Amino acid sequence: GAVVSQHPSRVICKSGTSVKIECRSLDFQATTMFWYRQFPKKSLMLMATSNEGSKATYEQGVEKDKFLINHASLTLSTLTVTSAHPEDSSFYICSATGSNQPQHFGDGTRLSIL
Amino acid sequence: GESVGLHLPTLSVQEGDNSIINCAYSNSASDYFIWYKQESGKGPQFIIDIRSNMDKRQGQRVTVLLNKTVKHLSLQIAATQPGDSAVYFCAEKPLGNQFYFGTGTSLTVIP
Repeated sequence: GAVVSQHPSRVICKSGTSVKIECRSLDFQATTMFWYRQFPKKSLMLMATSNEGSKATYEQGVEKDKFLINHASLTLSTLTVTSAHPEDSSFYICSATGSNQPQHFGDGTRLSIL
Repeated sequence: GESVGLHLPTLSVQEGDNSIINCAYSNSASDYFIWYKQESGKGPQFIIDIRSNMDKRQGQRVTVLLNKTVKHLSLQIAATQPGDSAVYFCAEKPLGNQFYFGTGTSLTVIP
C-alpha cells in the first residue's frame, strides 16, 4: 500500500539550530501534504497545508517564518524549524494525500532542543 | 508550551471484550471518513474508511458505523487484544483535499 516516509525520526540539537524534516510519498503523487505537531497524550494540531508548487497555508498562530515549508515536488515536502528553541520540542508528523488517496502519515519526528 | 492541545478521552476494556469508540463529526458536507490508530511514538495508521453512501463497513475485527443524521461515527473492535491499545482518531473529509481530525480516544486493553 501507499507509504509516507519521514526523516529523521529523532533529532536532538542545541538551541538556535535550524532543523529540517523531510516527508516523502514513496509510491503515489502527493498533491497535498500536511504538517502536524503533537504534544504527549494530545490530539494532532495542524500546522500547515502545502500543495505542490505553491506556498503553504498556515494555521492561525503558526509562525510561517519559524516553520518554513517547501513542497517542491509531488513526492517531497520539507519542514524547517528555524532557530529552534526548547519550546519547539515536540513530535512533528507529516501526512500526504493525492488523487483517490486517503491521508497517509509518516512515523513522525521527535524533536528535542536542549 | 506542553499544555497546548485537547486532552484525550480514555477507554479501558478487558482483553477479549468488544470495544466501541465514538466520534462526532462537524461538517454535514463530509463524504469520506477514516479511522486511524496511533501507537506511542509513531504516526497514525489507516484502519478503515467509509464513504457517505454507506452506513456500515466491516474489516478484519473492525467495523465502522456511520450515522449521517446525527453526524456520528463509531469504530467497533471485536475481541480486543493488548496490541489494540493505542489512540484512535476519526477523520472527516468535506470537499477538497483536507481531512479534519477528531480529538482522539486513548484505548487501554487490560490483560
